Amino acid sequence: QSALTQPASVSGSPGQSITISCTGASSDVGSYNLVSWYQHHPGKAPKLMIYEVSKRPSGVSNRFSGSKSGNTASLTISGLQAEDEADYYCCSYAGSSTFVVFGGGTKLTVL
Amino acid sequence: QVQLQESGPGLVKPSQTLSLTCAVSGGSISSGSYFWSWIRQPAGKGLEWIGHIYTSGSTNYNASLKSRVTISLDTSKNQFSLKLSSVTAADTAVYYCARGLDYYGSGSYFSAFHIWGQGTMVTVSS
Repeated sequence: QSALTQPASVSGSPGQSITISCTGASSDVGSYNLVSWYQHHPGKAPKLMIYEVSKRPSGVSNRFSGSKSGNTASLTISGLQAEDEADYYCCSYAGSSTFVVFGGGTKLTVL
Repeated sequence: QVQLQESGPGLVKPSQTLSLTCAVSGGSISSGSYFWSWIRQPAGKGLEWIGHIYTSGSTNYNASLKSRVTISLDTSKNQFSLKLSSVTAADTAVYYCARGLDYYGSGSYFSAFHIWGQGTMVTVSS
């Protein structure tokens, strides 16, 4: 069982917006603004999409945005495109003992 | 830019030690403040953090694997390595190396995995 809880799947039509939630605890997501999100196409390396809750690395589309409220972080993808179809994972710093935790992943289907 | 490439045996026998290497190109492994990390993904499952070695040489490991894991740096070859002992079929997975960013530059706060290798499949089977 993953430390962070994500929905197993979400779907949306091209052009729509979707949001993926990532629920942790006060010991990880709730305590640190150190949540990151990764896009993973099967057979490829995961790609960083959001870090430190809401920052976008250079080259990542501004259609991707992140936020956090309490123990839950969220990834929003606006203007869905076919190439956004992938698995998405959240990740958080979890203190000096546990250090890093991942969510179980969410499969995004673009209808 | 910095690139990472995993290498190692694709097949390991049960009870033996899995050994993988991550070659770093485009930058020095001993400069900067980074967490040189290993992450794995069993088939059909999610990502699991295995552990990391910080630029200074200090290590942190996933508690569930800690008794079997060793991560080390080889600055002369600009690479870092993973050893996982007493493997079973449950250790069959795609193994990724990654570079993690340090939020404060102190080795205490992990920010994100900014750079990943392509991954290498390791099967544990007799």
